[in-house]
Amino acid sequence: EAEVAQSPRYKITEKSQAVAFWCDPISGHATLYWYRQILGQGPELLVQFQDESVVDDSQLPKDRFSAERLKGVDSTLKIQPAELGDSAMYLCASSLAWGTSGVNNEQFFGPGTRLTVL
Amino acid sequence: DAKTTQPTSMDCAEGRAANLPCNHSTISGNEYVYWYRQIHSQGPQYIIHGLKNNETNEMASLIITEDRKSSTLILPHATLRDTAVYYCIPEITGANNLFFGTGTRLTVIP
Repeated sequence: EAEVAQSPRYKITEKSQAVAFWCDPISGHATLYWYRQILGQGPELLVQFQDESVVDDSQLPKDRFSAERLKGVDSTLKIQPAELGDSAMYLCASSLAWGTSGVNNEQFFGPGTRLTVL
Repeated sequence: DAKTTQPTSMDCAEGRAANLPCNHSTISGNEYVYWYRQIHSQGPQYIIHGLKNNETNEMASLIITEDRKSSTLILPHATLRDTAVYYCIPEITGANNLFFGTGTRLTVIP
């Protein structure tokens, strides 16, 4: 069964350092999402791509976070500089379609990257 | 935004049915209700979704009230592997992503 791949699974960094996370969605999925999940809370959307275009980055802290999906396939999320409050699980998800209801809106999640900022 | 209310936590005996309620009184129009779950240290997993009619798949059943203001996810024979946080997520028209709340932490007890 096709899966969303993410790497690394775990990352420990010091504050003020730069970190990057990678996501490879399920083949053929045009929509890609990055979520952040703080311990004890549900995931919150950071950025959503349709192919290579950003369709929603309203919750992305753009002073330190950036995301790209240059060829409309895999994606990278970067934090520079990292802060203590960035410690969280970063989840990538993909879906077949965007702008429709029902089954095509099902999102498939990767295992996540757990970031610890010291 | 659609507001949901779910119990913070629930317990269920192994082999019994787990019934997880959700209130989504502000859902409107043709907005679906999605259910996802998240097992510890894993990404969320889609379970089921519905609009007006009750739905069933290999994982669960979804019962939606006639006024659509609430729904119940039913796991007919809970196993230890069903221990997870269950999220009830009403769709929001014009927003094409999922708004997770804090969900219900279901613990299946041997």
